[in-house]
Amino acid sequence: RKEVEQDPGPFNVPEGATVAFNCTYSNSASQSFFWYRQDCRKEPKLLMSVYSSGNEDGRFTAQLNRASQYISLLIRDSKLSDSATYLCVVNKGTGGFKTIFGAGTRLFVKA
Amino acid sequence: EPEVTQTPSHQVTQMGQEVILRCVPISNHLYFYWYRQILGQKVEFLVSFYNNEISEKSEIFDDQFSVERPDGSNFTLKIRSTKLEDSAMYFCATPRGTRVDNEQFFGPGTRLTVL
Repeated sequence: RKEVEQDPGPFNVPEGATVAFNCTYSNSASQSFFWYRQDCRKEPKLLMSVYSSGNEDGRFTAQLNRASQYISLLIRDSKLSDSATYLCVVNKGTGGFKTIFGAGTRLFVKA
Repeated sequence: EPEVTQTPSHQVTQMGQEVILRCVPISNHLYFYWYRQILGQKVEFLVSFYNNEISEKSEIFDDQFSVERPDGSNFTLKIRSTKLEDSAMYFCATPRGTRVDNEQFFGPGTRLTVL
């Protein structure tokens, strides 16, 4: 089983749509979780951290289910500028010194 | 957003040559990470570095790789004898604040091309 697994997509959605991405991780000792976005040939940029209590930032909502080792990202009212690859990221173990990226989910938002 | 800079932006080298990639992370930060991303593939953890010592490294980070902090602000990743498969983007990153498991800020990357 991969350490961090994501549906690669691509997801093709119209502007204004709601889209959800899922991610699972294998190490139950993982402590911190994040969603990043990556544009083509650019560095990953933090989208949001993911907390057990859930986290919302404008149109973006992230959820963590530790029991199922599952992380989700919901994007409401999609914009053209949301087109990117969304990376699920997990800090492995209690020390947090090793960071594992999922392969990413590609999103295309079309007019 | 704090700035992390990397130089050079693009490095072209011949197979078997040594390359040194440089990173200037958030000022005075003690932690940093190196990652690589082969074109079309996922971001892969290479090594984490804390207070002048390697904290953890992946199986990719073999004897051909080394990291150093040659002065108070710069961090370097050295590849001793480059191979074709070392061609990739190399990113450095540092965490926000003082916790090592905080969210990380990435530099713009160095594109390494090995011919």
